[in-house]
Amino acid sequence: QKEVEQDPGPLSVPEGAIVSLNCTYSNSAFQYFMWYRQYSRKGPELLMYTYSSGNKEDGRFTAQVDKSSKYISLFIRDSQPSDSATYLCAMSLYGNNRLAFGKGNQVVVIP
Amino acid sequence: EAGVAQSPRYKIIEKRQSVAFWCNPISGHATLYWYQQILGQGPKLLIQFQNNGVVDDSQLPKDRFSAERLKGVDSTLKIQPAKLEDSAVYLCASSPGPQSGDTQYFGPGTRLTVL
Repeated sequence: QKEVEQDPGPLSVPEGAIVSLNCTYSNSAFQYFMWYRQYSRKGPELLMYTYSSGNKEDGRFTAQVDKSSKYISLFIRDSQPSDSATYLCAMSLYGNNRLAFGKGNQVVVIP
Repeated sequence: EAGVAQSPRYKIIEKRQSVAFWCNPISGHATLYWYQQILGQGPKLLIQFQNNGVVDDSQLPKDRFSAERLKGVDSTLKIQPAKLEDSAVYLCASSPGPQSGDTQYFGPGTRLTVL
């Protein structure tokens, strides 16, 4: 079983729709949860960061962490064509900054 | 603030050849990481440096991969000899420190194709 599972299936949505992405993980010791956005031919950039369980909102983006279910989610409201990218979940342990990444979800927002 | 710089951006080599990648992290960042990202996969950590010392190289294929960060700033990653399965994007990242939750800033990567 991989540490972090993320269904890599591409996702196409019309502009203005809500995008919902999620990851599951196996290591209950993970404490830090991140979502990175990666545009084509670019390196990943940090989008959202959450420590332990709970929700975090930043503009149109909401990250949720449910440690009891080992499940994290990212929601993008009012999606824009500029949101078209690959979204990678990542997580790390307390005391260790080594990131374990999911495979990534390619999102296409159609104008 | 300048980001993480990497060169070259693209490299094509034949199998069994050698190749080296260079990374210049964000100024003042003590921690530097090299990741391998195979097409359709998430990045996988190869090696982590704290200043010029190795913190974690548990996933580095040491029979063919080597990396150094001699003066605690720039770093090079070398593959010798390359195999077909080494075709990937090699990402360099840096963070202010090694603490959990320190944001890692990624460079644009070097796309390696091994023929």
